[in-house]
Parts: sequence; C-alpha cells; structure tokens
Amino acid sequence: AQTVTQSQPEMSVQEAETVTLSCTYDTSESDYYLFWYKQPPSRQMILVIRQEAYKQQNATENRFSVNFQKAAKSFSLKISDSQLGDAAMYFCAYRRGNDYKLSFGAGTTVTVRA
Amino acid sequence: ETGVTQSPTHLIKTRGQQVTLRCSSQSGHNTVSWYQQALGQGPQFIFQYYREEENGRGNFPPRFSGLQFPNYSSELNVNALELDDSALYLCASSLSGRAFHEQYFGPGTRLTVT
Repeated sequence: AQTVTQSQPEMSVQEAETVTLSCTYDTSESDYYLFWYKQPPSRQMILVIRQEAYKQQNATENRFSVNFQKAAKSFSLKISDSQLGDAAMYFCAYRRGNDYKLSFGAGTTVTVRA
Repeated sequence: ETGVTQSPTHLIKTRGQQVTLRCSSQSGHNTVSWYQQALGQGPQFIFQYYREEENGRGNFPPRFSGLQFPNYSSELNVNALELDDSALYLCASSLSGRAFHEQYFGPGTRLTVT
C-alpha cells in the first residue's frame, strides 16, 4: 500500500517570505504522479502543482515549485513571495499510474502573517 | 464551463438513518470519485465511477454505495449511519480514470451524525 506522510502539522510564514512544506511517500511503483493540493476555508480542493515520476525536472507553477527527490521518496513544496491568500491547508497526494485513487497525507496548515 | 457541484452543503442526520449525497460532474467529464475527509485529516478514497460502473473501491464497508447516471452525475448513499461517518464528503470529476487526467473537486458536503 502507498502511504503519504506530511510531518509538519502547521507552518507559519511572513508575507513575502518563503516557506517549504515537506512530504515523503512510500511506493514500490515506478510509474506514479505526485500532487500538492490547497484547501482553503471554503473547503474546495484546488490543484497547486503536479509532478510525473518519470520527469527529472522539478515542476514549477508561478510562485510554487517542488523539490522532487525520487530516490529519497521526497516531494517538498516551496511557496515563494507568500501572500495572504496562500493561507490554507496543503495536502500532498500520490497516485499510481493508471490507478483510480489519490492517496493523501494528513495535511499542513499554512498561516501567513501580515 | 460549469465546475463540480455538490448538494446539499450541510446536513445533520441521526445515527442509524440513511443519507444520499449528490454530485454533478464538470462538463465533459465521465468519471467521478468520492472521498471522505474527517476533521483535521486528509481525504480518504471511497470509490470511483466510470461510465456508470464502479471502477474501484477503497476500504469502506458495503453500507457505502453509489450510483452514476447517464449524464455522469453521481450519488453517494450511506446506510445505517454511525457517529464516525461525520465528515466532509468530497466528489471529484475527471476526463477518465487515468492518472494523468486531473481530478477537479467540488466544495463538499458536510455531514454531521448525532
């Protein structure tokens, strides 16, 4: 079974600063996808960024970037130039290639200080 | 393009009762997945429907059942409600059950069982 671990229940960052969220996963598969989702108080889960395991290059989406360390099974998210709107719960998720389900970590609550 | 919608937003039920939650998938999507998110935790996969057939199931008892209709909307039914069923129920739609197709989440239904 695949497991996703987020070891930081809460993180706080000053506006305009950078914060990094940690995620590790366990799998024996070679074909899989990794995701970071954001869940604001409105509850709607929004995809922030995705990484295909076969790609060596780390994914980036504007102020969001990942550090994908395949051998270490680590997938961290960096939020640069943090904004008040970034405050939310962030979930790391795993999906095996051609599988039907997402497996989520327990989440990290990000607070942005003005 | 209409996003994923869910109804109702909130509901309160009594232990032992039955409940039906509804999800309308995003236009053009033929796959719907359901997740249960307990307070303070990451979502857990319940099951997925692809073209009106159950395509995969997580570790949930048979009293959790579902349907998908020809227009690809979906229902989640829970019988014999237990207190532990209190959670946010999320549905997500996608173009197919394949991993490379992004899942788009609805805002969820908050179920409280008393």
